[in-house]
Amino acid sequence: EVHVVESGGGLVKPGGSLRLSCAASGFTFSSHSFNWVRQAPGKGLEWVSSISSGGDYIYYADSVKGRFTISRDNGLNSLYLQMNSLTAEDTAVYYCSRGIGYNGSPIGYWGQGTRVAVSS
Amino acid sequence: AIHLTQSPSSLSAFVGDRVTITCRASQDMTSALAWYQQRPGKAPELLIYDASTLKSGVPSRFSGSGSGTDFTLTISSLQPEDFATYYCQQFNVYPLTFGGGTKVEI
Repeated sequence: EVHVVESGGGLVKPGGSLRLSCAASGFTFSSHSFNWVRQAPGKGLEWVSSISSGGDYIYYADSVKGRFTISRDNGLNSLYLQMNSLTAEDTAVYYCSRGIGYNGSPIGYWGQGTRVAVSS
Repeated sequence: AIHLTQSPSSLSAFVGDRVTITCRASQDMTSALAWYQQRPGKAPELLIYDASTLKSGVPSRFSGSGSGTDFTLTISSLQPEDFATYYCQQFNVYPLTFGGGTKVEI
């Protein structure tokens, strides 16, 4: 059974940094692309970033480009999101997600989400 | 970026009603469109992909149609558990984008 679990969320001050992690199991991690999708309180879904199976293709939303870095460790079956220069607009639940196939979308598998709050 | 406009943003309906949600794309995207359901406090769940393919295990009362720029999600007979917010998403090109959501209230 496919399982993805995020961790690393928390409260951080504006301008601070946070690193989210996603542990995956139940499938061949290295064969699949992954995404981070976030949802601000009371708002809709916002795609943040995607990474290909080998890590050679990476995409970012304009809202996070230059501040966030997606990465993966196929040996540890783990996905990461390094978030720097955080602002209040980054406050959201962050979901690690995988496509139903090898591509990142459509997104068939989601974690439970990890909450990030940026506040002084 | 492809912008997705969902309508309506919310609706109220009765159990047994037929409900239709539309998603209009700002440019042609073939059929690379998915629909998700999100219940309060939960992660989204995929319902339909490639505009009209029902994900395995999703009730057959859900259906999708459309191509190009205009897409629809239809719930043929609304059930109490369908109270949720529905999102469309295009995966034709990066950046991936979601519609603004449609909240369905029973």
